[in-house]
Amino acid sequence: AQKVTQAQTEISVVEKEDVTLDCVYETRDTTYYLFWYKQPPSGELVFLIRRNSFDEQNEISGRYSWNFQKSTSSFNFTITASQVVDSAVYFCALSEAKRSGFGNEKLTFGTGTRLTIIP
Amino acid sequence: DAGITQSPRHKVTETGTPVTLRCHQTENHRYMYWYRQDPGHGLRLIHYSYGVKDTDKGEVSDGYSVSRSKTEDFLLTLESATSSQTSVYFCAISESLTGGLVASKSTDTQYFGPGTRLTVL
Repeated sequence: AQKVTQAQTEISVVEKEDVTLDCVYETRDTTYYLFWYKQPPSGELVFLIRRNSFDEQNEISGRYSWNFQKSTSSFNFTITASQVVDSAVYFCALSEAKRSGFGNEKLTFGTGTRLTIIP
Repeated sequence: DAGITQSPRHKVTETGTPVTLRCHQTENHRYMYWYRQDPGHGLRLIHYSYGVKDTDKGEVSDGYSVSRSKTEDFLLTLESATSSQTSVYFCAISESLTGGLVASKSTDTQYFGPGTRLTVL
């Protein structure tokens, strides 16, 4: 069975500090996808990034960066120079890649990390 | 914007009444999903559909049924609502691959609707 653990329930940092959100996953599949979603106070779920298990290259997008390490089954998310607009709940999620190639069918979510940026 | 709408956005109902939530998409995506979000649980999959009239159960399907009679609409029905079904319900869509194991960045990602807040008294 797949499992995603976000051990940090809540994090508060002062604006402009860097912050890392941890995500640890469990799966028996050798092919899978990892995701991060953001849920701002308005409630919608915003897709941030998708990574497949073949690609361990870290990614940077502006102030956001992601560190994928298969050896530790982790997919951590770092926000550099945090801003108040980064305040949200962040979800890490995992899906398996179907052997048939027909996409993923189920996302397993972590319980989320509530990030508060203090001005 | 993935062209997903959910209706109603808010609903208050009483225990024992039937409730139907609607998810509508405008971009002809094959896969559609229903999740519920509860504190301490993240999002959990209720049902999903991989085509018209093709549906399957998710992790928390008890007490829910779904129907998909046309590509653009995926309905979630609570036949007899209970207080434990008070939750925020999200619909999602994704596009399927047509071959190969590795998808491009633009496919195989689930995009979510705005959510429906359901309260069962």
